[in-house]
Amino acid sequence: DTAVSQTPKYLVTQMGNDKSIKCEQNLGHDTMYWYKQDSKKFLKIMFSYNNKELIINETVPNRFSPKSPDKAHLNLHINSLELGDSAVYFCASSMGQGAGSPLHFGNGTRLTVT
Amino acid sequence: QQQVKQSPQSLIVQKGGISIINCAYENTAFDYFPWYQQFPGKGPALLIAIRPDVSEKKEGRFTISFNKSAKQFSLHIMDSQPGDSATYFCAARVTNSGYALNFGKGTSLLVTP
Repeated sequence: DTAVSQTPKYLVTQMGNDKSIKCEQNLGHDTMYWYKQDSKKFLKIMFSYNNKELIINETVPNRFSPKSPDKAHLNLHINSLELGDSAVYFCASSMGQGAGSPLHFGNGTRLTVT
Repeated sequence: QQQVKQSPQSLIVQKGGISIINCAYENTAFDYFPWYQQFPGKGPALLIAIRPDVSEKKEGRFTISFNKSAKQFSLHIMDSQPGDSATYFCAARVTNSGYALNFGKGTSLLVTP
């Protein structure tokens, strides 16, 4: 019954590797997001997709590439991982961006780059 | 650039006390102000939200106070309980603008028995 599910929950990898994080939502929402939470718990938007189209692309290194095969999925691929990429990555979804549509977050993927 | 400033960074309150977390913003176009609650190992979850056309919203023990002229809003947790121990984030957004929710830096609340 998980509304927004992310896999894997933990990801430990070495510098220079390429990795992907998958996200799926079963809420019927049309907008999905990736947020990065750093060690100080600050949540920063990375990307947002609406109906599979990119609508928000914050200043994120182009090593990060989101992919949305359909409205229910938004995956995050990271190339050439760096130490500074270590963080918790949260996927979220909403129905549009209206005030009546809160964000529903997954439980996060803790990425550790060694 | 931090668009929503939150304080304090951490807060310790005794059981039964009132927890107060404050946020301030600069962008007068913001028209939606939610608070999210995050427990360890979990994603943030919406707690309560307010629009700028009202000055207060109450849901159970949780109240948002909103001061449009001062560009400030706060979360009050009445009769705080140990189960309320979590990180709280204020946020703000211009709805339907294509801009994402801007979060404050979070407040770690500990309610002691």
